[in-house]
Amino acid sequence: DTAVSQTPKYLVTQMGNDKSIKCEQNLGHDTMYWYKQDSKKFLKIMFSYNNKELIINETVPNRFSPKSPDKAHLNLHINSLELGDSAVYFCASSPRGARYEQYFGPGTRLTVT
Amino acid sequence: KQEVTQIPAALSVPEGENLVLNCSFTDSAIYNLQWFRQDPGKGLTSLLLIQSSQREQTSGRLNASLDKSSGRSTLYIAASQPGDSATYLCAVAKSGGSYIPTFGRGTSLIVHP
Repeated sequence: DTAVSQTPKYLVTQMGNDKSIKCEQNLGHDTMYWYKQDSKKFLKIMFSYNNKELIINETVPNRFSPKSPDKAHLNLHINSLELGDSAVYFCASSPRGARYEQYFGPGTRLTVT
Repeated sequence: KQEVTQIPAALSVPEGENLVLNCSFTDSAIYNLQWFRQDPGKGLTSLLLIQSSQREQTSGRLNASLDKSSGRSTLYIAASQPGDSATYLCAVAKSGGSYIPTFGRGTSLIVHP
């Protein structure tokens, strides 16, 4: 069974569109994250949710909105997509905050044309 | 602001060699440090997590050490194998507040037969 899963794996879309990426974890973890890995492979945290509550929001444009319907799911919605949004987006989870080991999903490669 | 540097950026070694990957960080007020491997096109796999109160952690052929006062960690890989080829990333979680993790840019390792 996949511990942290993301859909879709690949997403190709045009500038200006709105898209969502879904993430689910079956580990029973309290905390979930979204990371962005750019073309130079630099990984940077975007958001963190603990028990459905936003605890980290790292200077991400308002066009990005995370939503956590329950503690097993953290979805990422992106409005008005721009070329610079092209990247690989990773979801991760941990038992309770970054003090504990993080488990990553396989990533979603977003290409904006 | 925490900065994490990994040296070398790339490494190519013959099978069987013992090798050391380095990770340095600028702010020693950390809660923990985690080493990951990332295979091409895949997510991150956690290798070792060292809490700030610990000096080292071991798992199989991997040993990670932490010297918080000097802002350094090393990942030692014994008897390297072609299957160890991947990018190795370290992430440092800042202490206090939301434990925001900061990643290095990784060391790309190739172990050739």
